[in-house]
Amino acid sequence: ELVLTQSPATLSLSPGEKATLSCRASQSVSSYLAWYQQKPGQAPRLLIYDASTRAAGIPARFSGSGSGTDFTLTISSLEPEDFAVYYCQQRRSWPPTWTFGQGTKVEIK
Amino acid sequence: QIQLVESGGGVVQPGGSLRLSCAASGFTFSKYGMAWVRQAPGKGLEWVAFIRYDGPNQYFADSVKGRFTITRDNSKDTLYLQMSSLRPEDTAVYYCAKEGVTDYFDRWGQGTLVTVSS
Repeated sequence: ELVLTQSPATLSLSPGEKATLSCRASQSVSSYLAWYQQKPGQAPRLLIYDASTRAAGIPARFSGSGSGTDFTLTISSLEPEDFAVYYCQQRRSWPPTWTFGQGTKVEIK
Repeated sequence: QIQLVESGGGVVQPGGSLRLSCAASGFTFSKYGMAWVRQAPGKGLEWVAFIRYDGPNQYFADSVKGRFTITRDNSKDTLYLQMSSLRPEDTAVYYCAKEGVTDYFDRWGQGTLVTVSS
């Protein structure tokens, strides 16, 4: 079973600061890792796919990196609208299953 | 623009059944795999089921295998989730999601709430 572990669980930062979120896989995976943002009462929104490709309309302050078992989402300078919960997600090849990390909450310090 | 609109949620007793629908628009529905993802109150995201673009291949999370069925009607641009033998732990917001080019979900609906309670 593929497990994605996100850290930290909560990140307390101020606007303008840099956020670094981690996602670690229990086994080596391809680079097909995605990151989503979710705000209260809203559906998740795709931010990054294939580990480092920004989705359409996503600001350049969001970047993704990593391969194998360790992946990182970086927000270079937090805007007020960036305070939310972030999830990583990966798919196991066979049998196909899609796994999400437990989430990292980025809160205003 | 791409839209996914879920419906069919509500309150159901344990052991009961419910069918969710997801109406898609703004893209060629028949060319993309579709999934259901749920989120229990105050919890994280859990993938539930996936169906390939052409329908014959479906995959389920162990937690719902044998109780849930995912189908699609490409002539109506609609995705379905038939849920039976519902349990209190199935209480969640259920989102439908469109598959991207690789193994991610690039569009999500607004979700529909299913509450399993007596």
